[in-house]
Amino acid sequence: GNSVTQMEGPVTLSEEAFLTINCTYTATGYPSLFWYVQYPGEGLQLLLKATKADDKGSNKGFEATYRKETTSFHLEKGSVQVSDSAVYFCALVRGAGSARQLTFGSGTQLTVLP
Amino acid sequence: DSGVTQTPKHLITATGQRVTLRCSPRSGDLSVYWYQQSLDQGLQFLIQYYNGEERAKGNILERFSAQQFPDLHSELNLSSLELGDSALYFCASSVATGADTGELFFGEGSRLTVL
Repeated sequence: GNSVTQMEGPVTLSEEAFLTINCTYTATGYPSLFWYVQYPGEGLQLLLKATKADDKGSNKGFEATYRKETTSFHLEKGSVQVSDSAVYFCALVRGAGSARQLTFGSGTQLTVLP
Repeated sequence: DSGVTQTPKHLITATGQRVTLRCSPRSGDLSVYWYQQSLDQGLQFLIQYYNGEERAKGNILERFSAQQFPDLHSELNLSSLELGDSALYFCASSVATGADTGELFFGEGSRLTVL
């Protein structure tokens, strides 16, 4: 079935360091892919998305490119800030129409130190 | 603010008890999803409703049930509670139409502690 595998955390970086969080997926066809972020004490919120192969999603300095050749959707940011400390979830959408649902990876905890 | 409201935010109860978690979706969203987040299991999909009807079922225990009412709010009922049911329960909503790409809007969660 469809699934998402994320790199295990936790990840600790210094401010202004480069960030990569790996995500690979297994799916039939070409599902839409997402990165969600969960800040401490809050619910998940959409960070970025890509709906077809070779699409690049971007938001708040974060980027991820939908690579069908490697079935990957790695999250990157060139210079992280303390405020980026959060848990990041990769996800793909399954189903269609009103039965659509998201399948999430296990999440990666990021801590950015000043 | 996502527009999704969950109550209560925190709940402490004892084993064997029953609780009800409530969710109000974003205005206009027809679909409601329930997820359980625990340290060892990650984020697990429980169940989805669309316009009052069950649409998809995930890893939901038989002790758990849910429903979506005509005003589109949803309730998740957890009964015969066990210690392992302690977790953060999230509700999410979406438009869930054919043009929708699958983005979900999450509430802040209800933290259940079973003692």
